[in-house]
Amino acid sequence: DAGITQSPRHKVTETGTPVTLRCHQTENHRYMYWYRQDPGHGLRLIHYSYGVKDTDKGEVSDGYSVSRSKTEDFLLTLESATSSQTSVYFCAISETGTGELFFGEGSRLTVL
Amino acid sequence: DQQVKQNSPSLSVQEGRISILNCDYTNSMFDYFLWYKKYPAEGPTFLISISSIKDKNEDGRFTVFLNKSAKHLSLHIVPSQPGDSAVYFCAASSFTGNQFYFGTGTSLTVIP
Repeated sequence: DAGITQSPRHKVTETGTPVTLRCHQTENHRYMYWYRQDPGHGLRLIHYSYGVKDTDKGEVSDGYSVSRSKTEDFLLTLESATSSQTSVYFCAISETGTGELFFGEGSRLTVL
Repeated sequence: DQQVKQNSPSLSVQEGRISILNCDYTNSMFDYFLWYKKYPAEGPTFLISISSIKDKNEDGRFTVFLNKSAKHLSLHIVPSQPGDSAVYFCAASSFTGNQFYFGTGTSLTVIP
């Protein structure tokens, strides 16, 4: 199994509060991704990174920011959480950006 | 606009029979296709993939077929087993891009 750890695994927060989700990998893969999974929408890309300090937006990036200061860590921040951001968030890594994608176990976020 | 589509939200199959999951895509630049399996409360796990230079790839009970002219791929599971009950996502990427696009998933139930 690919070494991907997400934290926290579960979080409940209130509308308007900041939230940071962390993804840590031990595979030294170049590419890292944040997806959210919602019923009827499947997996949608929020942001991705193609190297340290190199990030780009995905299809649902509004309300989210990311940072990657080290190869192994990719942080997803919700500056001011809203109820529409209640979801399950998955981090994924890829060595090449086109081949296999390996997922973490997910972080369930509930915004009240 | 959804670039990868799975039009069947659910599928039920008897144990031992064939399961056929379908996926359509719109972007002709996609040249690598993947299938993922997801159990509840777990991250998606890679199942099988196919490059656009092939039209078939087999791995044990799992076979993926690609019809580039129709922009259609399918996953065949033979024989189906109760442990195959999960949500299946298809995904696509291109060698010139760094993103993976996912369908909305098909929930497969294999009835003992």
